[in-house]
Amino acid sequence: EVQLVESGGGLVQPGGSLRLSCAASGFTFSSKWMSWARQAPGKGLEWVANIKQDGSEGNYVDSVKGRFTISRDNAKNSLYLQMNSLRAADTAVYYCARGWGIDIWGQGTMVTVSS
Amino acid sequence: DIVMTQTPLSLSVTPGQPASISCKSSESLLNSGGKTYFYWYLQRPGQSPQLLIYEISSRFSGVPDRFSGSGSGTDFTLKISRVEADDVGVYYCMQGKQLPTFGQGTKVEIK
Repeated sequence: EVQLVESGGGLVQPGGSLRLSCAASGFTFSSKWMSWARQAPGKGLEWVANIKQDGSEGNYVDSVKGRFTISRDNAKNSLYLQMNSLRAADTAVYYCARGWGIDIWGQGTMVTVSS
Repeated sequence: DIVMTQTPLSLSVTPGQPASISCKSSESLLNSGGKTYFYWYLQRPGQSPQLLIYEISSRFSGVPDRFSGSGSGTDFTLKISRVEADDVGVYYCMQGKQLPTFGQGTKVEIK
């Protein structure tokens, strides 16, 4: 069974940092683009970042460029999102997702940025 | 960025009746290789999104055949032939021709 399990969410103060992780199983992780998307409370979906199979290319939505870094460890079947200089507007459920055109979503992890 | 615009933003449907959602993109989603990377998702209340349709009209694994997708270029439609109670939630379109962008979502409820 294909599974994506996120972890690392929590409450952080504005300007702080957080690292999200996603454990993938049930498919050949190293063969897939991987993505992060988010959903602010009561709002719609927003794509955040994606990363190529070998980690050589990453793309970001403009609002997180320079603050967030996506990475992966194919040996551990894991995807990461390092989030720095967090803002209140980054408060959301963060989803790990498979593919550029997303076909599988994780259950999400909540990130709350508040003082 | 490609802007995706969904209509309507909400829909109330009698069980057993059809429903249709439209999604328009700000530019053509047809790529140079002849493919169109356009997707439909359903997010049921309290759940993660799930893929329904990919590349305009292909149903994802396990998706009932009452869901169908159509369209081309900049105009796309999701149709539910006979709405069931389990179809309640928010439907999103997404383009993957460039960096992904989603539509605003269409909330479907049962009358």
